[in-house]
Amino acid sequence: GAVVSQHPSRVICKSGTSVKIECRSLDFQATTMFWYRQFPKQSLMLMATSNEGSKATYEQGVEKDKFLINHASLTLSTLTVTSAHPEDSSFYICSASSQRGALQQETQYFGPGTRLLVL
Amino acid sequence: AQTVTQSQPEMSVQEAETVTLSCTYDTSESDYYLFWYKQPPSRQMILVIRQEAYKQQNATENRFSVNFQKAAKSFSLKISDSQLGDAAMYFCAYGGLYNFNKFYFGSGTKLNVKP
Repeated sequence: GAVVSQHPSRVICKSGTSVKIECRSLDFQATTMFWYRQFPKQSLMLMATSNEGSKATYEQGVEKDKFLINHASLTLSTLTVTSAHPEDSSFYICSASSQRGALQQETQYFGPGTRLLVL
Repeated sequence: AQTVTQSQPEMSVQEAETVTLSCTYDTSESDYYLFWYKQPPSRQMILVIRQEAYKQQNATENRFSVNFQKAAKSFSLKISDSQLGDAAMYFCAYGGLYNFNKFYFGSGTKLNVKP
């Protein structure tokens, strides 16, 4: 149980284009989803927290107009990188937790990540 | 704000031996959760072990156990009978009961396992 998927696993795009990354909880209802960014050999940096049906809460320094987050259902959250530039190239990871069901409510379950390369 | 410190950037252990990874944290909260996650080269974050702060008993999961010292704000991970598959980055994480279970991560410890 507690499987989280991400799509795509890898994406290459041209500078100025927008890229959408999907995060899905496959076997549970994710009341809260988190988006992280990870640079090589570094820890995870939280970008934003989203709750189903409400606006995402962004961490300080994260541009909400550049990183659009939508959590439209209890199993899907999307991160859209708008007008991507080479400095946006990174590894993006989502995680999910649930306040419902038998899962440990405080635990975050992570997706496999998406590698974004902006040329 | 909560902070999590992992003071060992890299460690090595011989296969079948035991290794302990250190983690300290700072918080003013009395109830919280602590986690160890493993990130192998695939970069998939895998939950290793979880500890509730209100429980005095240290959590154990097969070869993995923790030494939780609440007063000292210390949360170390012991890996017994190390296996080649244990080689990975290990991240300690603090999870509060507020802010929708937002996590604070340590900087990570890279564990090498020598055959």
